[in-house]
Amino acid sequence: AQSVTQLDSHVSVSEGTPVLLRCNYSSSYSPSLFWYVQHPNKGLQLLLKYTSAATLVKGINGFEAEFKKSETSFHLTKPSAHMSDAAEYFCVVRGDGGSQGNLIFGKGTKLSVKP
Amino acid sequence: EPEVTQTPSHQVTQMGQEVILRCVPISNHLYFYWYRQILGQKVEFLVSFYNNEISEKSEIFDDQFSVERPDGSNFTLKIRSTKLEDSAMYFCASSDLLLNTGELFFGEGSRLTVL
Repeated sequence: AQSVTQLDSHVSVSEGTPVLLRCNYSSSYSPSLFWYVQHPNKGLQLLLKYTSAATLVKGINGFEAEFKKSETSFHLTKPSAHMSDAAEYFCVVRGDGGSQGNLIFGKGTKLSVKP
Repeated sequence: EPEVTQTPSHQVTQMGQEVILRCVPISNHLYFYWYRQILGQKVEFLVSFYNNEISEKSEIFDDQFSVERPDGSNFTLKIRSTKLEDSAMYFCASSDLLLNTGELFFGEGSRLTVL
């Protein structure tokens, strides 16, 4: 069965410094992986997705994630944090159900950005 | 930009009461979903819906839950007799069949509090 583990519940960075949010996955086959972001009082927004094409995936707002099969990781990075990046981030793997909408979420990482 | 809208944003109800949460998916989307997030826990898949029937459901989605698309625009989640443990944020999502990439567009959520 698929699962994801987000290694940090809370990450704090200073504005202008790099962001690293860690995610490890477990899957019996080649997974579809996603990062979603949730700003306060907003819905979940897709940042980026990996579906077995290029291993380095570029998303919105300058975020990237690299799929590393050998490490079963899909860490999210951004070279320079902005105050508006403060939000909760979810690493997600698609489940193996037939609807393709069965997404399995990690517990989330809350990103704080200090001025 | 089209978006998924949910009502109410917050509902408080007494245990045993029926609750209906409403969602308006993006107009050309064909797949619809409900997820929930109990405070402090992961976002969990409840059910997916396509072509006027449930295509997949989780073990959480027991006989107390039902979904319906009563007209061409609304997608509802009904909880027949609420329990304390139904208190959660409920997210509606929709996706475009043609994309078939697993990208779900989420609403802002409906917070249900059962007293």
